[in-house]
Amino acid sequence: GENVEQHPSTLSVQEGDSAVIKCTYSDSASNYFPWYKQELGKGPQLIIDIRSNVGEKKDQRIAVTLNKTAKHFSLHITETQPEDSAVYFCAAGLRYGQNFVFGPGTRLSVLP
Amino acid sequence: NAGVTQTPKFRILKIGQSMTLQCTQDMNHNYMYWYRQDPGMGLKLIYYSVGAGITDKGEVPNGYNVSRSTTEDFPLRLELAAPSQTSVYFCASSSLGQGASSYEQYFGPGTRLTVT
Repeated sequence: GENVEQHPSTLSVQEGDSAVIKCTYSDSASNYFPWYKQELGKGPQLIIDIRSNVGEKKDQRIAVTLNKTAKHFSLHITETQPEDSAVYFCAAGLRYGQNFVFGPGTRLSVLP
Repeated sequence: NAGVTQTPKFRILKIGQSMTLQCTQDMNHNYMYWYRQDPGMGLKLIYYSVGAGITDKGEVPNGYNVSRSTTEDFPLRLELAAPSQTSVYFCASSSLGQGASSYEQYFGPGTRLTVT
């Protein structure tokens, strides 16, 4: 089955700096890679996703890149703000599949 | 729309007790999921359902049961609670297979369960 690793487990950046979170997956059949943000006391919420036929996708300050050959994908947040502080989860799976495998999460702290 | 709602928010159980975690969605989604989240860990899938009357096991189903009699509701039953079931439980739903362009899973606020 699919296995997803995520690094780093914690990340602290100064406000305005960039943050990068990296994930690797094991199943070459996976073709859909979402990123979820979880704020304290809340359920995860989708912030961006990418399909395997796309190498990069951007939405304002957030971007995701995918390297299918190396089986890794990354989340990039530019111009970080205090409200970006949260736990971020990557996931991998089949686009039309019933479930995805989530990584263990990265706790991002943006210091003012 | 309320989205995905879960009750209760918090619960303390004694070892061996049973309880049902409730989950309701008002988005007419066909897919529903139950996850558990242990401290410092990612989400582990317990059970999922692709529609009313259809359920299947996820990665960590032992000690749990589910049913899906309606599109809206997907309760999770814990029988004979054990300390290992202390966790935060999230219910989610999605519209996979309904022609939606998004595969987003919408999560509820979670239920924090402690078994002592």
